[in-house]
Amino acid sequence: GAVVSQHPSRVICKSGTSVKIECRSLDFQATTMFWYRQFPKQSLMLMATSNEGSKATYEQGVEKDKFLINHASLTLSTLTVTSAHPEDSSFYICSARDWQDYEQYFGPGTRLTVT
Amino acid sequence: GQNIDQPTEMTATEGAIVQINCTYQTSGFNGLFWYQQHAGEAPTFLSYNVLDGLEEKGRFSSFLSRSKGYSYLLLKELQMKDSASYLCAVLDSNYQLIWGAGTKLIIKP
Repeated sequence: GAVVSQHPSRVICKSGTSVKIECRSLDFQATTMFWYRQFPKQSLMLMATSNEGSKATYEQGVEKDKFLINHASLTLSTLTVTSAHPEDSSFYICSARDWQDYEQYFGPGTRLTVT
Repeated sequence: GQNIDQPTEMTATEGAIVQINCTYQTSGFNGLFWYQQHAGEAPTFLSYNVLDGLEEKGRFSSFLSRSKGYSYLLLKELQMKDSASYLCAVLDSNYQLIWGAGTKLIIKP
């Protein structure tokens, strides 16, 4: 089956610093990758959709200058949380989809804690 | 607008059967997914229905009625490890996944 990895799995950072999260499709080419955020006991919230080689499409209410997304290759997308604040603490999950399939394959998630 | 409704929480007994319902109103329809999500983990794929009817996969089955905008996930022979949230998601006309809020399933011995 398709495998998606995320790194790091957990990160603690100080307020005002930036954090980069990587999402990789290990055994398929991901033409589209999705970034989600999930607060405790809440459902997934789509933040943005990125297609390889083009700019990400952000959902309403998501600051594109704060959450920088790069999808430079068919196997790697990165999410950088810039100038992180405690309210950015959340579970960030990426998913990937190849051009042949509409199923999204999820990474294991990254738990970000901003102190 | 687009909307997916599913119960917030359900409780069932180990060994029993439980049915989790999902109704949807979306702009277009290209299939419906069910995902399982344990606390603190990412969702894992359970099923995909694009045609009406029942799809059976081991202890789990998923049903779809497109005319009614309705699906259910049926879990048989419940085990304690089935305690999780179950997410219903519809692929709309733009091939974007629209997510329900999830149903937290609590299994009691």
